[in-house]
Amino acid sequence: KNQVEQSPQSLIILEGKNCTLQCNYTVSPFSNLRWYKQDTGRGPVSLTIMTFSENTKSNGRYTATLDADTKQSSLHITASQLSDSASYICVPRSGGSYIPTFGRGTSLIVHP
Amino acid sequence: GAGVSQSPRYKVAKRGQDVALRCDPISGHVSLFWYQQALGQGPEFLTYFQNEAQLDKSGLPSDRFFAERPEGSVSTLKIQRTQQEDSAVYLCASSLGTGGDSPLHFGNGTRLTVT
Repeated sequence: KNQVEQSPQSLIILEGKNCTLQCNYTVSPFSNLRWYKQDTGRGPVSLTIMTFSENTKSNGRYTATLDADTKQSSLHITASQLSDSASYICVPRSGGSYIPTFGRGTSLIVHP
Repeated sequence: GAGVSQSPRYKVAKRGQDVALRCDPISGHVSLFWYQQALGQGPEFLTYFQNEAQLDKSGLPSDRFFAERPEGSVSTLKIQRTQQEDSAVYLCASSLGTGGDSPLHFGNGTRLTVT
């Protein structure tokens, strides 16, 4: 059972442009949702965490949104940089579960 | 270093060989996870430890896979009689607490290639 759907699967943009990555999840009951960034050949690194009561949260050029009613989250990247090239993984967590569920990720390539 | 350390970084094994992958978590972290990541996919859960107790091993794909964390710190993932489908990156992660508020801190993984 796939509890996390991310779109697009891959994305290519020019440096300086903005982009938005989408995540639909079905975990229940909902506890929180994290976005992770995974550079090639490295482990994922947490960018931000969203809880039930939060609609939007920013971390530098990254802004995450959460709609707990529709079970959707997005990650918006502003003024992209070459170093933003990575896989971005949505990770919702169910209340009472030790185990976070990783999405497949969106592969972002930023071209100069 | 203060991060999660995994060794070896790369491992090539012939089909049928046994392998052991090591994870040194961040000191003091209670929770430890093992994930398997195939190329182009997200990490897939294998097993979870809380201190030395293996609380969940539901993701281990077969009885050839075995994990331990005997003293609640270093963990080892062992794969017996490796098969080609075992080729993947094996990621270890640790977190400070046992609830969902603490982020997972990942190592850079061990890339296993079975020939």
